[in-house]
Amino acid sequence: LAKTTQPISMDSYEGQEVNITCSHNNIATNDYITWYQQFPSQGPRFIIQGYKTKVTNEVASLFIPADRKSSTLSLPRVSLSDTAVYYCLVGDNDYKLSFGAGTTVTVRA
Amino acid sequence: EPEVTQTPSHQVTQMGQEVILRCVPISNHLYFYWYRQILGQKVEFLVSFYNNEISEKSEIFDDQFSVERPDGSNFTLKIRSTKLEDSAMYFCASSERLLNQPQHFGDGTRLSIL
Repeated sequence: LAKTTQPISMDSYEGQEVNITCSHNNIATNDYITWYQQFPSQGPRFIIQGYKTKVTNEVASLFIPADRKSSTLSLPRVSLSDTAVYYCLVGDNDYKLSFGAGTTVTVRA
Repeated sequence: EPEVTQTPSHQVTQMGQEVILRCVPISNHLYFYWYRQILGQKVEFLVSFYNNEISEKSEIFDDQFSVERPDGSNFTLKIRSTKLEDSAMYFCASSERLLNQPQHFGDGTRLSIL
């Protein structure tokens, strides 16, 4: 599985856009990039998945440059309820998701 | 939106006792998983299950652990003789297919071993 590196924490304010960049220098050709969100005492929740370029859904956008060695999760206009841990995962074998420490995003009023 | 449900939400058990954690995956999903998260640590993969057999398991999933799909809706994790270090949140997940399909997680069972 490709190793990922993401910031340990990020602070933001309500209404701002939050961008979390994940590095995955040894991503393989068949690997997809998937982001999960986890609130305290809850299970991880799937946010978005992509292979290349840009993917957007009702919750977030995922930007993936041509070399695919990094990706950026963009959360538009965050609210207090977006305070959570965000995980970047890379792989093609969904038998075994490998979670790192994630990025703790704290949104302040 | 359909969801994965887990029971109980909190289980307190004496060390050495057997415990069964229960999960109802999303109905049309074919792949099932268990993960655990010790307080303050990462989410760790335990086991995946497909077509009534284990597909892959981690080093954590030793002989004390077993999984079963006893009927068409439930998926269980059994720990035969619990240890203090088994105290953790246990998450069940399911996915519709294997490749490039997101896993949908339940909200977990908090297992406390005394």
